[in-house]
Amino acid sequence: GAVVSQHPSRVICKSGTSVKIECRSLDFQATTMFWYRQFPKQSLMLMATSNEGSKATYEQGVEKDKFLINHASLTLSTLTVTSAHPEDSSFYICSALAGAPYEQYFGPGTRLTVT
Amino acid sequence: AQTVTQSQPEMSVQEAETVTLSCTYDTSENNYYLFWYKQPPSRQMILVIRQEAYKQQNATENRFSVNFQKAAKSFSLKISDSQLGDTAMYFCAFKGRGTTSGTYKYIFGTGTRLKVLA
Repeated sequence: GAVVSQHPSRVICKSGTSVKIECRSLDFQATTMFWYRQFPKQSLMLMATSNEGSKATYEQGVEKDKFLINHASLTLSTLTVTSAHPEDSSFYICSALAGAPYEQYFGPGTRLTVT
Repeated sequence: AQTVTQSQPEMSVQEAETVTLSCTYDTSENNYYLFWYKQPPSRQMILVIRQEAYKQQNATENRFSVNFQKAAKSFSLKISDSQLGDTAMYFCAFKGRGTTSGTYKYIFGTGTRLKVLA
């Protein structure tokens, strides 16, 4: 149990366009999901905490108007990178909290390349 | 603010041998959780082991065990009988209520790249 999916796994987009990444909890409901960014050979950096039915909480330095997060249901959170630029190219990972003791389960990640 | 430090960027171990990965952290909280995650080349994060700070007994999961020293704020991972499939990045993570909102969040160390040699 506790499977989290992400779609797409890889995406290439042109500079200036927007791209949406979906994070789904497949077999459980998640009131809280997290979005991370991972640069090559580096650690996971928390971007924002997504709570179902409310606004996301962004970490310091993360532009909320650039990285739009919507957690409209208990099984789906989306991250939209707006007006993407090459420096937004990265590996984006979502996770969802499941049940007591509220373990964090990770999606497989999405590799975004902005050309 | 909480911090997590992994001082070993890379390590290697012979198959069937034992290796210990180090992790230190800093926090003013008393109730928190510590984790070790594995990230293989597929980049899927996998939970290896977790430790509740209020528990004195060190967590163990098969070949994986931790040495949790709360006073020293140290949380090392020992892998026994290393297998080729253990080759991966290992991240130490801290879970606490560091934000003013009181929401739990996770802080990750910079990772240790472990290579198991045949």
